[in-house]
Amino acid sequence: QKEVEQNSGPLSVPEGAIASLNCTYSDRVSQSFFWYRQYSGKSPELIMSIYSNGDKEDGRFTAQLNKASQYVSLLIRDSQPSDSATYLCAVNLDRGSTLGRLYFGRGTQLTVWP
Amino acid sequence: GAVVSQHPSRVICKSGTSVKIECRSLDFQATTMFWYRQFPKQSLMLMATSNEGSKATYEQGVEKDKFLINHASLTLSTLTVTSAHPEDSSFYICSASSGLGNIQYFGAGTRLSVL
Repeated sequence: QKEVEQNSGPLSVPEGAIASLNCTYSDRVSQSFFWYRQYSGKSPELIMSIYSNGDKEDGRFTAQLNKASQYVSLLIRDSQPSDSATYLCAVNLDRGSTLGRLYFGRGTQLTVWP
Repeated sequence: GAVVSQHPSRVICKSGTSVKIECRSLDFQATTMFWYRQFPKQSLMLMATSNEGSKATYEQGVEKDKFLINHASLTLSTLTVTSAHPEDSSFYICSASSGLGNIQYFGAGTRLSVL
C-alpha cells in the first residue's frame, strides 16, 4: 500500500513565527519529493522539490529530507498571513517506473494570524 | 515557471450530458499529462496518466469509458466526462510534466457541477 501521510492540522501560528509541516511516506525507494501549496478553491502550486538527503532552502522555505526515516518536512520562516493555505506533500512512489506519478498526502491546513 | 492552461474553469451542466475539459502546456512540451479529481476537504486523487500518442493509464476504480482522455499532441490533453451525473460533480485538475525531475505543473482546475 503506497501511502503519504501528513499531520492534518489545522496548524495555527502567529505572523513572523516558523511553521513546521511534516510528511512521511511508505516506499523506501522513492526518489522525488515535492511540496505544493493550495489556496482554497484553487489548484496546487509548486513550492519546493527535493531529491537528496539534507536541507534545501529557497527564500523563506526550507525542505528537509531524510530517506532513512522516510520523512520530508517543510519549514516556513517569518510566516505571513498570505502563507495561510493547505500544504500538500507529494511523493513519486513508482519504483523503477518512468510514469512519474505523484501520490499526495491529505494536506496540512496552515493559518497564520496577524 | 512553466504555465499550464486549463479550460473551462467552471461548467454547469444537466445530467446525461458530456463535458470536455482541455489542458494545454503553454511554454514547454509535456511528455506526460495527469488528470486528478478533488472532492471538498480531500486531497488530490489521480485519475489517469496520459502520454502523447498513446492510450491513457487509468488508476484502479476509474472508469475509462466514462472518463475519456485524449493526448493528441505534446501540448494538449483533453478529458471528456461522458454522460455526467451529479456524483461526478467535483474539481478536476490537470497537470503536465516535461519529465525533468518528475515535476508536475498544474492547471487552474475545472469545477464541474452536474444538475
